[in-house]
Parts: sequence; structure tokens; C-alpha cells
Amino acid sequence: AQSVSQHNHHVILSEAASLELGCNYSYGGTVNLFWYVQYPGQHLQLLLKYFSGDPLVKGIKGFEAEFIKSKFSFNLRKPSVQWSDTAEYFCAVNGEDSNYQLIWGAGTKLIIKP
Amino acid sequence: ETGVTQSPTHLIKTRGQQVTLRCSSQSGHNTVSWYQQALGQGPQFIFQYYREEENGRGNFPPRFSGLQFPNYSSELNVNALELDDSALYLCASSLFLLGEQFFGPGTRLTVL
Repeated sequence: AQSVSQHNHHVILSEAASLELGCNYSYGGTVNLFWYVQYPGQHLQLLLKYFSGDPLVKGIKGFEAEFIKSKFSFNLRKPSVQWSDTAEYFCAVNGEDSNYQLIWGAGTKLIIKP
Repeated sequence: ETGVTQSPTHLIKTRGQQVTLRCSSQSGHNTVSWYQQALGQGPQFIFQYYREEENGRGNFPPRFSGLQFPNYSSELNVNALELDDSALYLCASSLFLLGEQFFGPGTRLTVL
């Protein structure tokens, strides 16, 4: 069965630190990859997505993610975090085998210390 | 443009009861997906409706059922509630079947 693994459940960083959140998936076929973010008190919203093409994807608010097919990974990065990046981040995957339904990771809670 | 709305915001039920949760999709969106998010976990796909027909179902028992109406709003019904059904229930709508999903705020269901 398809699954998505996010390595860290909680991450605490200081402002201006660099961020990398890991995401690995188990899936054999062609995949679409997503990162969603949930800011405190707000709805889940799409941060960025990869369908095909350039494996380095840029999203909103300075975030980017790199799809490495050989490692089944789609890690999220930001060179310099801000206090406003405090949120929960979810990686999700879909593909033909899941009938394009989203399979989600457990999420990473990111806290940025001012 | 009105986003995805869900009602009620919170709900408390007891074991064995039945519950109906409602979702209004974003204007023009014909696809609605429902998810269950238990505490500390990511969302789990329950089912999806496309133009009033069920289009895919996750690993949930038949006591989880749904409907989509001609205006594309949707309901999630859960019968014979169990303690483990306590969770945040999320609705998401999209403009087309494989389109970006826009999420509502969720309904927090507590089963006692």
C-alpha cells in the first residue's frame, strides 16, 4: 500500500535558520507530490506541488521542494525562516494506483522562535 | 468568492448515535472530498464525490456514507458512532476531478 513518511513530527528553529523537512513515499508508479501548510487557526492550504518537469519546484512564501525520484523523496526547504512560518506542514502523494486520491504524511509541526 | 464552509464547527455525540456533517463547496467546484484527521495524524481519505456520484472510497466501513447535491454541496453521514470516530472531519472541493483541493475549516467530532 502507498504510504508517506515525514521524518520529524516537531521541529523548532530560530528565525533566519534554514529549513528542510523530509518526506519519503512508497509508491512504484508515476506520482504527483504536494506540500500543504496549516497556519494556526487557519485551513489547510497548498504550499506547492509537483506533477512533472523540473524536479525543483517553487511555491508560495519562499518555499521550494525537490523531487528526487531515485530516493522517493520530496523534501521541503526554505533558506531563511520567519516567525510567521510557524505552522504544521503536510506532505501528500497521489497517483494512478491510488486512483489519484491523496495519501498524507502525519505532518510536521514547525515552531519558529523569534 | 466564498471558500469551502463546513457545519457544524464542533459536535459532541455518544456511542451508537448517528451524525451528519455538511460541506458547501467553493463556487463552481464540482468535486468534493472528505477526510478524517485523528489527533496527531495526517488526513485519511474517506471518499470523493464528483457530479453527485461517488468517485473513490478509502478504507472506511459502510457506516460512513455520503451524498452530493445538485449544487455540489455534500454531506457525510456516520452511523453507529464509535469512540474512535472522534476526529476532525475535513471537506475539500476542487474545480475538476484532479484539480487543486481547497479545504474547509473542518468539523471537530467528539464521541463519548
